[in-house]
Order: sequence, then structure tokens, then C-alpha cells
Amino acid sequence: NAGVMQNPRHLVRRRGQEARLRCSPMKGHSHVYWYRQLPEEGLKFMVYLQKENIIDESGMPKERFSAEFPKEGPSILRIQQVVRGDSAAYFCASSSGEKGYTFGSGTRLTVV
Amino acid sequence: GENVEQHPSTLSVQEGDSAVIKCTYSDSASNYFPWYKQELGKRPQLIIDIRSNVGEKKDQRIAVTLNKTAKHFSLHITETQPEDSAVYFCAASETSYDKVIFGPGTSLSVIP
Repeated sequence: NAGVMQNPRHLVRRRGQEARLRCSPMKGHSHVYWYRQLPEEGLKFMVYLQKENIIDESGMPKERFSAEFPKEGPSILRIQQVVRGDSAAYFCASSSGEKGYTFGSGTRLTVV
Repeated sequence: GENVEQHPSTLSVQEGDSAVIKCTYSDSASNYFPWYKQELGKRPQLIIDIRSNVGEKKDQRIAVTLNKTAKHFSLHITETQPEDSAVYFCAASETSYDKVIFGPGTSLSVIP
């Protein structure tokens, strides 16, 4: 079992570009969650998805951020027109619903 | 929405001593309380969890207690070892598949 796979591990974007972060959940897991972690801070909930459905997006900024989990393929977190304040580690987690999350290794986004 | 508080923010103990981290939550609908350990630069990893129908749970040197009436829960680590040094996050959610709200974290240092 390969675990939760996130790519890329590191992503550098210039201000105004788009960032696209990918997450493949563990085999058998149908629930995907995205969290953001600023340096030396906690994990802030962004969005909870199941296949083709957004279940809870209460933590997502209203503008520039979107997420999807299509029927086929990984979940994608998209950040349009990135700004320096978007620099953070973005963690994806998956769950079967019976046990707590399994996290991926994260994507470290740096906006220059 | 749910709010999880955690203290202390930093904790330093001698190797072999015990460490206790305490958390409170605000939403009485929360029934699932996982604990995660995050080593520097790594992903958070689930170390133990407890559900609201249980008051205490143990796994080797780690134990968690839950007081649902007072909305308190705690992590106890006995016979601490240097490899226990990490940031520990408590969390709360309604069920094991709902979004999880994390506390701000406790940085534990175990001094050899």
C-alpha cells in the first residue's frame, strides 16, 4: 500500500501564476481532506471531498482557491494568481471513515 | 464551529519522565478525538484516538483520557524517550470521517 501520495513535494511559483497540487488517496479510501500549515503553526482545515462531490469547503478562501476529486484520477487543489501569503505546506489526508486520517508528505509551496 | 485549544504550547521533560498535554473543545457534537505526532519536516501521523463512548484508552506508553462533560481530553506519555520529541496535535470531529479541527500543537522536547 503506497499510502497517500502527494506531488509535487516542492513547488515554486511566481506571484500571479497558478499552483496545482495533486493528491492520490490510499487504496480503498474515498474521503479526501486538504489542510494548510504555515511555518510553526497548526493545521487549518480547507476542504473535504468525496468522489465528484465537495462535502465541506468551509475552510477554503472564497477567491482563487478551488478543489476537485474527479471520478478518475487524483484530487486537485488549485490556487490561481498566487500571492506570497499562499506560501505554506499543503497536506492532503485520506480516510476510509472508520479510522483517523492518513496524511501525505505534503507539498511545500513557495511563492516568489 | 468547533474550536480546539491545547496547552502547553511547549513542554520540556527529562528522559524517563512523563509528559501530559491537555486539550479542550467547544462543540458538544464532537465524538471523535484523534492525536497526531509531527516530527520536523514530516507528515502528521496518527498515534492514538478515542471516541466519546470511552473514557480512557492505552497503547503501550501512550494513554488518552476524555471527560465529555467538561469537554476536556488529555494525552499522557510515560517513560519518555528522545524519539518522542515532536509536535503533538490534539483534534476533534463529530465522526471519524467528518472534518477534523486541530489544536495549535504542543512542541515536546525530551532531554537525554
